Amino acid sequence: SAVISQKPSRDICQRGTSLTIQCQVDSQVTMMFWYRQQPGQSLTLIATANQGSEATYESGFVIDKFPISRPNLTFSTLTVSNMSPEDSSIYLCSGGQGGNIQYFGAGTRLSVL
Amino acid sequence: SQQGEEDPQALSIQEGENATMNCSYKTSINNLQWYRQNSGRGLVHLILIRSNEREKHSGRLRVTLDTSKKSSSLLITASRAADTASYFCATFTGNQFYFGTGTSLTVIP
Repeated sequence: SAVISQKPSRDICQRGTSLTIQCQVDSQVTMMFWYRQQPGQSLTLIATANQGSEATYESGFVIDKFPISRPNLTFSTLTVSNMSPEDSSIYLCSGGQGGNIQYFGAGTRLSVL
Repeated sequence: SQQGEEDPQALSIQEGENATMNCSYKTSINNLQWYRQNSGRGLVHLILIRSNEREKHSGRLRVTLDTSKKSSSLLITASRAADTASYFCATFTGNQFYFGTGTSLTVIP
């Protein structure tokens, strides 16, 4: 199994600023993903974080808005850039070995004023 | 969208009853997984079924998979108040996971 520490757990930010969310895994994982979840709704995949190369983004998400880093097999960051109130959401990271069990962070609850 | 559909969207049952939720997906898959999410928390993995499997059990959980119909079901037997949560199916295709729309389960003590 793996434990993922995600921080911050919540933040309130001003419009136009950026926030970087970090996920640290206690063991090496081959795959890491970033999701967005509106309260009471399902998860929407933002991107696959690739170790040592550019992330793979889903339709509707772009690197300029959501830059992602993954410098090694245990750490990844997601930045939400130039925030607007529409970016208010819960952001989740997950990690696992290939297509097997995914372990999730507790999530970051973001509010943009 | 690659996202799967789940039904029902919401389910309310008495403690001790069984709960069944269904998931339909759109593409061929490597495996299908079920996750639980308690309010305000991250997701917790429940069970994984591979595309060449038809049924799998884990404790009070039973999962079936019908790849010809692109559907799966999760059965929770003898439900408990602690089972109250949202349940999501997730399909692994290629190198990506896609989550279903979710079922909100309420178990009334």
